[in-house]
Amino acid sequence: EAGVVQSPRYKIIEKKQPVAFWCNPISGHNTLYWYLQNLGQGPELLIRYENEEAVDDSQLPKDRFSAERLKGVDSTLKIQPAELGDSAVYLCASSLKTGIEQYFGPGTRLTVT
Amino acid sequence: DQQVKQNSPSLSVQEGRISILNCDYTNSMFDYFLWYKKYPAEGPTFLISISSIKDKNEDGRFTVFLNKSAKHLSLHIVPSQPGDSAVYFCAASYNDMRFGAGTRLTVKP
Repeated sequence: EAGVVQSPRYKIIEKKQPVAFWCNPISGHNTLYWYLQNLGQGPELLIRYENEEAVDDSQLPKDRFSAERLKGVDSTLKIQPAELGDSAVYLCASSLKTGIEQYFGPGTRLTVT
Repeated sequence: DQQVKQNSPSLSVQEGRISILNCDYTNSMFDYFLWYKKYPAEGPTFLISISSIKDKNEDGRFTVFLNKSAKHLSLHIVPSQPGDSAVYFCAASYNDMRFGAGTRLTVKP
């Protein structure tokens, strides 16, 4: 069974530029999560989807971050414009339902210069 | 607001000995607890979990203990192997999952 796929794995951009991350969850997993992980810290939830509905986006900085999950499968997370402080690893995870074990992709390491 | 805390940033043990990783939480609403393992340049991998109705769950060399009154859980690895060297994250869930900051385990041959 294929795991969670994320692309790109690495991205370097200049500040004020836009950037987008893509995630394909495990087949059949209705719940999809985007996390932010800073160095030396655990993952922090940005947004959670149940199918195509964003059910928890309270931690998403909506002035510059946006996400979508069209058709309840793949998801895209966008930052526009990027700031220096956005440099981090962006993780996507999926699960069969909320509250149980989640399966993570390899993450996208973003560097904003 | 750190609801899940791992107070030891690192732990070093000898191969064959026991590794004990600790985690404390503050929110009594949490009803499901998990441990994840993370290697460099990879995402966290689910290791073992425990429901709040239990106090112990065992899977091979890995055992998780839950003490609800103390709001504390621990992960025991016996015997420890060099391949266990990784960062271990504790997580707790009731709707959303909250993660600790991780403990870097080094198992020396």
